[in-house]
Amino acid sequence: GDSVTQMEGPVTLSEEAFLTINCTYTATGYPSLFWYVQYPGEGLQLLLKATKADDKGSNKGFEATYRKETTSFHLEKGSVQVSDSAVYFCALSRRDGQNFVFGPGTRLSVLP
Amino acid sequence: NAGVTQTPKFRVLKTGQSMTLLCAQDMNHEYMYWYRQDPGMGLRLIHYSVGEGTTAKGEVPDGYNVSRLKKQNFLLGLESAAPSQTSVYFCASSYSAITQETQYFGPGTRLLVL
Repeated sequence: GDSVTQMEGPVTLSEEAFLTINCTYTATGYPSLFWYVQYPGEGLQLLLKATKADDKGSNKGFEATYRKETTSFHLEKGSVQVSDSAVYFCALSRRDGQNFVFGPGTRLSVLP
Repeated sequence: NAGVTQTPKFRVLKTGQSMTLLCAQDMNHEYMYWYRQDPGMGLRLIHYSVGEGTTAKGEVPDGYNVSRLKKQNFLLGLESAAPSQTSVYFCASSYSAITQETQYFGPGTRLLVL
């Protein structure tokens, strides 16, 4: 079945460091890909998405590119801030659209 | 707009007790979902609904029941709680089921079953 794999972390970085969180997927057809972020004590919020190969999603300085050839959707940010500390979930939306498949989440801690 | 709200925020149950979690959305979304979040496992779909009066099973439906009597509400019931149902429960909604549609999440309900 469809699945999402991502580095589990935790990832600890200093402020202004470069961030990469790897995400790879297995799916039939051409799913849409998402990154959600969960701040402490809150629900998940959409961070960015891409709906077809080579699309780049971007938001709040984060970006990810839909790579069909490597079945990947890695999240990157050039300079992280303390306020970026959260859990990040990679997800795909199945072709039938009736549910998402989420990765296990990656906890990011950014130190001042 | 309140978005997606969940009631209660936290609950402690004893094994065998029952309870209902309420999810409400004010965005006129057709689709609603219930997930559980467990450490190291991401979110897993319990049940979902594609419209008022309809429900369907997700990945982990055993031990749960749901109802969607009104478009804006989606209820998750535990008839006889078990310690394995200790988790954080998230409700979500979306306008449609097309693949690029964003799901909007509630703040979660933390449930502890002793």
